[in-house]
This record gives sequence, C-alpha cells and structure tokens, in this order.
Amino acid sequence: EAQVTQNPRYLITVTGKKLTVTCSQNMNHEYMSWYRQDPGLGLRQIYYSMNVEVTDKGDVPEGYKVSRKEKRNFPLILESPSPNQTSLYFCASSPGVLAGGRETQYFGPGTRLLVL
Amino acid sequence: AQSVTQLGSHVSVSEGALVLLRCNYSSSVPPYLFWYVQYPNQGLQLLLKYTSAATLVKGINGFEAEFKKSETSFHLTKPSAHMSDAAEYFCAVSTNSNYQLIWGAGTKLIIKP
Repeated sequence: EAQVTQNPRYLITVTGKKLTVTCSQNMNHEYMSWYRQDPGLGLRQIYYSMNVEVTDKGDVPEGYKVSRKEKRNFPLILESPSPNQTSLYFCASSPGVLAGGRETQYFGPGTRLLVL
Repeated sequence: AQSVTQLGSHVSVSEGALVLLRCNYSSSVPPYLFWYVQYPNQGLQLLLKYTSAATLVKGINGFEAEFKKSETSFHLTKPSAHMSDAAEYFCAVSTNSNYQLIWGAGTKLIIKP
C-alpha cells in the first residue's frame, strides 16, 4: 500500500531533550516536506527536500533540523525542544517538481508533540 | 506573493443541506488550487484540485469546486451534506514557478443531525 508513515504518533517530552520524528514514504517520491499545524494558523511549512541531500527552509524552520540521506526517509530533528514547539506535525511527499506546483501531496497520519 | 483566505473557521449545516466553504486567493500568476480534507485524528488527503483545465472541478465524496478568476475564488460545494462529511477542510494555492503550497487557516465543517 502506498503510504507515508510517521513515528511516533504521540510524544510527550521535556524542554531540552533532543528528539527525532521519523518519516518514510514508499512511493519513490522526490519531494518531501514537514509541516506543523496549529489551531487557527493552518499548516506552516518547516523544511522541505526536493531530492536526496537537497533540503531547504520553509516558513518556520527555527528550532528544527532535517536530513535527506535516502530518498524514502526525511526525519525531523528537534535538538532542544521548547514548549512553543508543542504542535501537530505532518510529513508529506509528492512525486516531483518537474510538473511544477500542480502535484498532489500525500500526508502521513501526524505526530502530536507535547513539550513540557 | 500568494495568499489564501478561508471565510469562517467553523461552518455548521444540517444533514441534507447544501455545503458551501469559501476560499479566496491572491496570486500574480496563474494559480493551482487545492482542497484538502482532514478527518478527525487523520492526515490530510486531497479532495480536488484545479490545474488550469476545466474551471468546474469534481472531487471525491460528491464535492466540487469552481475556479472563478474574476472573483479570485475557489469555493467548495456539496449539494447534500452527510454526517461523514464532518471534518476540517483546507484550501491551498501554488504556482508553476513556486511549488510550495500556501495554506488557508482551515474551516471546520459541523453537520447537525
């Protein structure tokens, strides 16, 4: 089954304790992205990757890191989480960028993070 | 710069009534427009999209949207609401030169029995 998976689905942590949220897709997609969703703000892009070893900042990258060493995986790293990073996080992928902005994005189920 | 405005953070309709969710966009170049739906405790999935073909776009679950350039709108409609339509709906815009999606704030659709 074609899908985007994220782990963990739920995470409670404390300020300053490094964590990683994994994202994996099995559709051979070139483009991957991380979003955070907060009430009343819609989705805001954190980082995106157009292909292996190619990543770039989105609208709200502060406090986050990513890497893209393999095509299928795009982990999100919070080196020193803070309470303002409490949010719902989504990973998404799409086939590529050759077709421009018309590509459909496929979303993972989300990771709900609480930073105390 | 592109932007998306969804009118109404919550819309409530009775089961069987017309659903109308409003989306207005701004873009200096021809846009691609999307509606995504998020069911409770799930990720987002594509409902429908406009990519410069027919202006009336049909999507899944009986939804459709019409691209109106003169009004810079892409409103989502469904003739008869069903309880299973209760979800949050997001409008988004991108362009051929900028494949990043710009998202609206979302509209939560509530269906009254």
